[in-house]
Amino acid sequence: GAVVSQHPSWVICKSGTSVKIECRSLDFQATTMFWYRQFPKQSLMLMATSNEGSKATYEQGVEKDKFLINHASLTLSTLTVTSAHPEDSSFYICSARLLRTEAFFGQGTRLTVV
Amino acid sequence: LAKTTQPISMDSYEGQEVNITCSHNNIATNDYITWYQQFPSQGPRFIIQGYKTKVTNEVASLFIPADRKSSTLSLPRVSLSDTAVYYCLVGDMRTGRRALTFGSGTRLQVQP
Repeated sequence: GAVVSQHPSWVICKSGTSVKIECRSLDFQATTMFWYRQFPKQSLMLMATSNEGSKATYEQGVEKDKFLINHASLTLSTLTVTSAHPEDSSFYICSARLLRTEAFFGQGTRLTVV
Repeated sequence: LAKTTQPISMDSYEGQEVNITCSHNNIATNDYITWYQQFPSQGPRFIIQGYKTKVTNEVASLFIPADRKSSTLSLPRVSLSDTAVYYCLVGDMRTGRRALTFGSGTRLQVQP
């Protein structure tokens, strides 16, 4: 099946710094990618939909200036957590879908802000 | 978007068959039913997908009644490695531009 890869798998950063997470579709072109956030013992919550060549669409309650999404090519979307704070510590997961198939998910990125 | 309801948790023993039922009363005509498995600190992994009746693959079976308002994931002869959270999702497969919405999932614990 199609493969979606995230990098890094985990990252620790200091409060106030910015962190970039990459999501790549390795063997297919994804015009649309999705970013989810998951807190411990909770389900995945959709943060935003990333469209290649256009602005991302954010879910209600997600700060677009804090979570910057760039989908510069058909195989790469990036999520930048700006001015990170401890409450941003979470598990971030990206996903991509092909037409008429299931969604494919990356392995996730564990962000810890200290 | 169709909302799904699943049991929060289930317990089983190795070698048993596990059936997890999901309710999706508001499923739309173009929605497919898809089940994912998630281990701790990993992204969800596709298990099986169906539209109606029964679908079977090498790891699971999916039973969907005629009214499609529910579905049952069947895992034959579970092992300890099947301990995970299982999510039932419904969504329109015609487009790749809509995200899938996750419900609470079912936390399956398999005991030796």
